[in-house]
Amino acid sequence: EVQLVESGGGLVKPGGSLRLSCAASGFTFSSYSMNWVRQAPGKGLEWVSSISSSSSYIYYADSVKGRFTISRDNAKNSLYLQMNSLRAEDTAVYYCARILSGATTTFDYWGQGTLVTVSS
Amino acid sequence: SSELTQDPAVSVALGQTVRITCQGDSLRSYYASWYQQKPGQAPVLVIYGKNNRPSGIPDRFSGSSSGNTASLTITGAQAEDEADYYCNSRDSSGNHHVVFGGGTKLTVL
Repeated sequence: EVQLVESGGGLVKPGGSLRLSCAASGFTFSSYSMNWVRQAPGKGLEWVSSISSSSSYIYYADSVKGRFTISRDNAKNSLYLQMNSLRAEDTAVYYCARILSGATTTFDYWGQGTLVTVSS
Repeated sequence: SSELTQDPAVSVALGQTVRITCQGDSLRSYYASWYQQKPGQAPVLVIYGKNNRPSGIPDRFSGSSSGNTASLTITGAQAEDEADYYCNSRDSSGNHHVVFGGGTKLTVL
């Protein structure tokens, strides 16, 4: 069974940093592109970042470029999101999501999310 | 960047058919995927590609596309289909970004 479990969320002050993790199991992690998608309270889904299976290709939404860094450790079956210079508008539930094999924007499995709150 | 536009809310009588639409320039080049999200839960993929359903998704869910509009159709809506529905696709500007629609709240009456 495919499982994605996020962790690392919490309360952080504006300008602070946080590192999210996503532990993957039930599939060959190293064969899949992975993404982070966020959802502000009461709002819609917003794509944050993507990373290819071997980390060769990395992309960011304009809203986080230069502040967030996506990475992965295929040996540990883990995906990460380093978030720096956090702003109030970064407050959201952050989901890690797997890209369907052979697809580019179809997310076939999602974690349950981890809440990041940026507030003083 | 590209945008995908969805109606904020749609309602359907129990057992009837409802179509949820998603409009955007990128849909002229790329298929949309559709996700169902119930309160407090993570999104679930329901339709992708031309008209593909993941395992476990009822066949009352179907997808179609024409021009710049993608549609998700639920034929014989059930009470458990009440949820938010989001479309997504690839940004058409060539920057490999992903775009989501704003979401449609489906109410089953």
